[in-house]
Amino acid sequence: DVKVTQSSRYLVKRTGEKVFLECVQDMDHENMFWYRQDPGLGLRLIYFSYDVKMKEKGDIPEGYSVSREKKERFSLILESASTNQTSMYLCASHFGERGPYGYTFGSGTRLTVV
Amino acid sequence: AQTVTQSQPEMSVQEAETVTLSCTYDTSENNYYLFWYKQPPSRQMILVIRQEAYKQQNATENRFSVNFQKAAKSFSLKISDSQLGDTAMYFCAFTPGAQKLVFGQGTRLTINP
Repeated sequence: DVKVTQSSRYLVKRTGEKVFLECVQDMDHENMFWYRQDPGLGLRLIYFSYDVKMKEKGDIPEGYSVSREKKERFSLILESASTNQTSMYLCASHFGERGPYGYTFGSGTRLTVV
Repeated sequence: AQTVTQSQPEMSVQEAETVTLSCTYDTSENNYYLFWYKQPPSRQMILVIRQEAYKQQNATENRFSVNFQKAAKSFSLKISDSQLGDTAMYFCAFTPGAQKLVFGQGTRLTINP
């Protein structure tokens, strides 16, 4: 069964810490995405990548960066965590133009910044 | 702007009833894909149904069907014979041209026994 794996299910970090959220997919997908999920706001796109070392800003990139050194791994970095980054973070990947085959999601990382 | 609006934050129905979740979207694209995703308490996003905008026929997957009105930019989900396992957050989404998904705010659906 194809998988997108997020390294942590729950994470608690302190304000100002540098935080890494890791995502690995085993489907050889070119495209990978990081979303943030908040109640009443749905999922909002932070960054996405369509190839190794390539990245594009999504709708809410401020306070975040990403890294994609290998095709299967896409990391989200919070340079200096703040309490307003407390949220659920979902990674996704897909193959193909316009996602016709659908996206595969990880099971999310619930991050709390204290 | 590429947006998706789900106007029903919460819905609740009895088991075996039929329920319809609403979704409208805004795009200037002519060709795109529309999706309904289900997110149960396990948090795993599950694809429920997919519709290609250039197809006039409404998609159907077992108890799940859509009413796609392209001119009105409406994409509602109908769940027939609802089951307890249908309890979840439901998200409407579409791909407006780039390969990213744009999501609605979600509808929390509860199926009562």
